[in-house]
Amino acid sequence: SYVLTQPPSVSVAPGETARITCGGNNIESRSVHWYQQKPGQAPVVVIYYDSHRPSGIPERFSGSNSGNTATLTFSRVEAGDEADYYCQVWDDSTDHRRVVFGGGTKLTVL
Amino acid sequence: QITLKESGPTLVKPTQTLTLTCTFSGFSLSTSGEGVGWIRQPPGKALEWLVVIYWDDDKRYSPSLKSRLTITKDSSKNQVVLTMTNMDPVDTATYYCAHRRDLYFDYWGQGTLVTVSS
Repeated sequence: SYVLTQPPSVSVAPGETARITCGGNNIESRSVHWYQQKPGQAPVVVIYYDSHRPSGIPERFSGSNSGNTATLTFSRVEAGDEADYYCQVWDDSTDHRRVVFGGGTKLTVL
Repeated sequence: QITLKESGPTLVKPTQTLTLTCTFSGFSLSTSGEGVGWIRQPPGKALEWLVVIYWDDDKRYSPSLKSRLTITKDSSKNQVVLTMTNMDPVDTATYYCAHRRDLYFDYWGQGTLVTVSS
């Protein structure tokens, strides 16, 4: 089965750049989607199809996907960016076509 | 404007069957391409995908839970119903339904916390 690996936590000072990675075998061949989840709230998609931003998501959020790693990048991090972030792909590599989520990364703004 | 809302029991006993309903608006599950998924999240843990149902009644289940899950739709009522059999305390989680757009979920319900305890 396909596995997505994320670091449990990333810490960054306000105004700095933060990167959250999502590792998977040849992940560049798949479309990666990213969700932000704040405490007590439902997830919100912040990046879809590797690098597309939904309306209302700040331009500070960007995504890339290459090789075995997809990356969610925050430029000029703000306190309001503190949340859990999950990557997600659709795995159709076997007969069991399914959705796969990464284990999540907690972004802490120092 | 797409909205979804989950409803169902907040407490179930071990071995019981859980039935959750997702009531949605802003789209129709009779329309080609539409789909609704269920995702759960145990307290303090990661998201776990459960199932997706499509406009044509195609269904995709999580392989690890397939034997316990059933999903149905009632397009006339704009509802999707999820049943999970043989509930266990490890199934305690917030259960979300979400609108599927292509290969991701663009709108989510608020979630409903289900506790499994005797």
